Amino acid sequence: GIQVEQSPPDLILQEGANSTLRCNFSDSVNNLQWFHQNPWGQLINLFYIPSGTKQNGRLSATTVATERYSLLYISSSQTTDSGVYFCAVEGGYGGSQGNLIFGKGTKLSVKP
Amino acid sequence: DSGVTQTPKHLITATGQRVTLRCSPRSGDLSVYWYQQSLDQGLQFLIQYYNGEERAKGNILERFSAQQFPDLHSELNLSSLELGDSALYFCASSVAGSHEQYFGPGTRLTVT
Repeated sequence: GIQVEQSPPDLILQEGANSTLRCNFSDSVNNLQWFHQNPWGQLINLFYIPSGTKQNGRLSATTVATERYSLLYISSSQTTDSGVYFCAVEGGYGGSQGNLIFGKGTKLSVKP
Repeated sequence: DSGVTQTPKHLITATGQRVTLRCSPRSGDLSVYWYQQSLDQGLQFLIQYYNGEERAKGNILERFSAQQFPDLHSELNLSSLELGDSALYFCASSVAGSHEQYFGPGTRLTVT
């Protein structure tokens, strides 16, 4: 099956700093999503980005499908950005697509 | 708020018991997915339903079962519970023709 690797596993930043999170995947994928899991456990959609570049405020993401990686950029980080960031790609269980395969996440801590 | 609702938010039960987790997808979404998040296994796909029919199965134990009803809500039934079943259970939904999944707030199950 498809393998999803995220790096770094942990990241500590001072408020205001920028960061780049990486997601590598082992095979061609049709779809890729980035999520933020906040300290209360909620999974929040950040980007649906099977290819190309998208921006939403201080966050942006780029997926280069042909090279099997995606990057999530966080600029001017805030304490509310703390949590775990997951990359997930669409797998192929039972011949059907749609279910997501998650990486292990990057745990981000932003210090005031 | 993703529009996906899950009940209950928290559930504490004893080993050997049976519980039912409920999910209501976003209005108009025909696909429902169930995921389990545990400390040792991370986020794993369990099962997918589309318009009442099972579409794909992942690492779902035989003690677990699910169904999707005509009104499109879904239930995940967990029986003969073991300590290792303690986890956060997420439901997600997507609209027909789209692969982007939106996650509910989760049900935190504690088996004692």
